[in-house]
Amino acid sequence: GAGVSQTPSNKVTEKGKYVELRCDPISGHTALYWYRQSLGQGPEFLIYFQGTGAADDSGLPNDRFFAVRPEGSVSTLKIQRTERGDSAVYLCASSLSVGAFFGQGTRLTVV
Amino acid sequence: DAKTTQPPSMDCAEGRAANLPCNHSTISGNEYVYWYRQIHSQGPQYIIHGLKNNETNEMASLIITEDRKSSTLILPHATLRDTAVYYCIVRDQGGSEKLVFGKGTKLTVNP
Repeated sequence: GAGVSQTPSNKVTEKGKYVELRCDPISGHTALYWYRQSLGQGPEFLIYFQGTGAADDSGLPNDRFFAVRPEGSVSTLKIQRTERGDSAVYLCASSLSVGAFFGQGTRLTVV
Repeated sequence: DAKTTQPPSMDCAEGRAANLPCNHSTISGNEYVYWYRQIHSQGPQYIIHGLKNNETNEMASLIITEDRKSSTLILPHATLRDTAVYYCIVRDQGGSEKLVFGKGTKLTVNP
């Protein structure tokens, strides 16, 4: 595709529910990143994949958050037992060398 | 934590040059300076990066001081569409690949 695609663009869920956020990176990009952004703040790093493996997951806030990239392309960010504090824009980016390209994000609202 | 310091906001007149400063006094020898910007409701967009030499591309110029402790992003002829939050990021090319965002500078280009 032309750019990084994230679906859904908006997600409203009830507290305690499970959600999955999908990221389709630019074709051929080996690196994939997940960030989340709260209002008025810069993006906060969550996890970084190189190929299929998580090279750095130091930003995942707790064990309710998990991400996979089984075939080295599409990635899914999974959040269990959602809390109101998880409400944010979740951004995905992919990269081949220098310069990461970001998607438009998924706005998650936990009510 | 972000390794850079930027002013929270700046204004610029349309058609004039916008000079956005960034301090990175603890930068190490193998760390690059990256600039991204984020227009409202969009994902961050890569602008430019450099190690120690000044760099120019179709979007902007990057001036890095000789001691590498600070840099300036220059938008030579700012337009209203350049209104955005601009992030200066220091990143180790050889180590962890993650980008650590601070709060950035909100640039407002006025007509």
